[in-house]
Amino acid sequence: NAGVTQTPKFQVLKTGQSMTLQCAQDMNHEYMSWYRQDPGMGLRLIHYSVGAGITDQGEVPNGYNVSRSTTEDFPLRLLSAAPSQTSVYFCASSYLGTNEKLFFGSGTQLSVL
Amino acid sequence: GENVEQHPSTLSVQEGDSAVIKCTYSDSASNYFPWYKQELGKGPQLIIDIRSNVGEKKDQRIAVTLNKTAKHFSLHITETQPEDSAVYFCAEEEYGNKLVFGAGTILRVKS
Repeated sequence: NAGVTQTPKFQVLKTGQSMTLQCAQDMNHEYMSWYRQDPGMGLRLIHYSVGAGITDQGEVPNGYNVSRSTTEDFPLRLLSAAPSQTSVYFCASSYLGTNEKLFFGSGTQLSVL
Repeated sequence: GENVEQHPSTLSVQEGDSAVIKCTYSDSASNYFPWYKQELGKGPQLIIDIRSNVGEKKDQRIAVTLNKTAKHFSLHITETQPEDSAVYFCAEEEYGNKLVFGAGTILRVKS
């Protein structure tokens, strides 16, 4: 089992560019989520999904889109990158179908210039 | 959303001593309180969690206590070791299937 795999590990964007952060899990987890981590602010929920075809907004969803076409994949799209989106992004999943007992990926460090 | 306050922001202890990190929350309806450990360059990892129908839970050197009346919960690490050095995050489950995290505590264990 690879667990939760995030790609890329590092990315630099220019303001206004778009990109997709990839997240895949091979544990057949129904629940998947995206967090961003900023210094002194802990982790903040961006979007989450309780199963294929179902997504919902978290605490800080503006500027981000998600989709869940399969159980395994949960990509995060930045539509028009802004410097405020410079952060470390983590994908997480859970076998419980809820946000309990989350398994996190190793993160994507994103810089927007 | 609701807030979770975590203290202290940094904590240095001597190897073998105990470490205590405390979190307070405001949502009286919260029922689930996990603790995550994040090592440098890695994603957070769940180390222990507790539900509101339990006052204390232990797992070897780690314990969590919960006081629902006062709305605070604490992580206790006994006999600390250098490998305990990491950032620790508390969290509470908010209505709507969402976790709210504290700002984190940097724990340094000096050998």
